[in-house]
Amino acid sequence: DTAVSQTPKYLVTQMGNDKSIKCEQNLGHDTMYWYKQDSKKFLKIMFSYNNKELIINETVPNRFSPKSPDKAHLNLHINSLELGDSAVYFCASSQANTQYFGPGTRLTVL
Amino acid sequence: KQEVTQIPAALSVPEGENLVLNCSFTDSAIYNLQWFRQDPGKGLTSLLLIQSSQREQTSGRLNASLDKSSGRSTLYIAASQPGDSATYLCASEDSGGYNKLIFGAGTRLAVHP
Repeated sequence: DTAVSQTPKYLVTQMGNDKSIKCEQNLGHDTMYWYKQDSKKFLKIMFSYNNKELIINETVPNRFSPKSPDKAHLNLHINSLELGDSAVYFCASSQANTQYFGPGTRLTVL
Repeated sequence: KQEVTQIPAALSVPEGENLVLNCSFTDSAIYNLQWFRQDPGKGLTSLLLIQSSQREQTSGRLNASLDKSSGRSTLYIAASQPGDSATYLCASEDSGGYNKLIFGAGTRLAVHP
């Protein structure tokens, strides 16, 4: 009965690889988000989708491409991974003003 | 551009103490101010949300206040317990819509028995 789930929980990969992180929410929310939390614990929004439509696109390298196949899913694909991409990536969903976060995916780029 | 700052960065207190966590923001044109809790290796849990028209919100032992004019919010935790140990994050939501949150770096709280 997990509200917001992400897979995988851990991801270790080499520089230059392409990887995807998946997110699913079973709360029936219209809006979903991707956040990045760096090593200094700063949490910054990357993207937001409302009803499968991109509504927030922060200054993120175009190597990052979100995809929302339906309202319940928002996946994040990252091309040509770099060392600086190492972080914890959180997915969230919201209805009204309250956001519900997934457990995070710790990405380590070697 | 909104900036959110939290002090202190870390706090260690004995069980039973009342404590205050501080959050400041540079742009007072916010839609709301939210407090979250983050446990190690886990996602964030929403604790309290204060609308811009409100002054405070309470939930159990937690009380959050908002002073838009001074750009400040405080989270008051009464009678702290070891289970309160976590990182507490505040976030401002701007009035531009789309629920865009700007987070502070958090206060790491340790409550020891």
